[in-house]
Amino acid sequence: GAVVSQHPSRVICKSGTSVKIECRSLDFQATTMFWYRQFPKKSLMLMATSNEGSKATYEQGVEKDKFLINHASLTLSTLTVTSAHPEDSSFYICSARDLWKNTEAFFGQGTRLTVV
Amino acid sequence: GENVEQHPSTLSVQEGDSAVIKCTYSDSASNYFPWYKQELGKRPQLIIDIRSNVGEKKDQRIAVTLNKTAKHFSLHITETQPEDSAVYFCAASVGNQAGTALIFGKGTTLSVSS
Repeated sequence: GAVVSQHPSRVICKSGTSVKIECRSLDFQATTMFWYRQFPKKSLMLMATSNEGSKATYEQGVEKDKFLINHASLTLSTLTVTSAHPEDSSFYICSARDLWKNTEAFFGQGTRLTVV
Repeated sequence: GENVEQHPSTLSVQEGDSAVIKCTYSDSASNYFPWYKQELGKRPQLIIDIRSNVGEKKDQRIAVTLNKTAKHFSLHITETQPEDSAVYFCAASVGNQAGTALIFGKGTTLSVSS
């Protein structure tokens, strides 16, 4: 199946700093990618939809200035957690579907963010 | 927007028994319903999906049924094995196109004891 690669898989940062997470579709094009957040033993909550070449669409309650999304190419979307705080600690995971095929959604391996 | 409810939140069965997980959705326009299995710390993996023009789909020990009128769909796992232990998520989306996000249920933790 198609591959979505997410990097880094784990990151620890200090409060107040920013962290960038990358999501790449390795063997297909994705004009749209999705960012989810998952708390321990909880569901995947959709944060935002990343659109190639245009602004991301954020879900209600998600601060767009806090979670900056850039989708500069058909294979790369980035999520930057700005001025991170301990409450931002979570598992962040991206997803994408093949632009040219009606296929399943593929997920990155996720990023475990810990803010200390 | 779409809202997906999933039950039960936890399910414990003996090896060889069947397991059933149920989901309901709110948006009648939803027409794609995948099920994902997620092991601890790993990415969700698609195990089966169904589209709204189909009432039932089966793949070996796994089956999914869909009732569009009632807006609910279910996952059935037969002859459960310890390796089936994981968290299972149902999801729904309006269309299965590349630009459509999946909305997930809250998950079911399945434990299969030998």
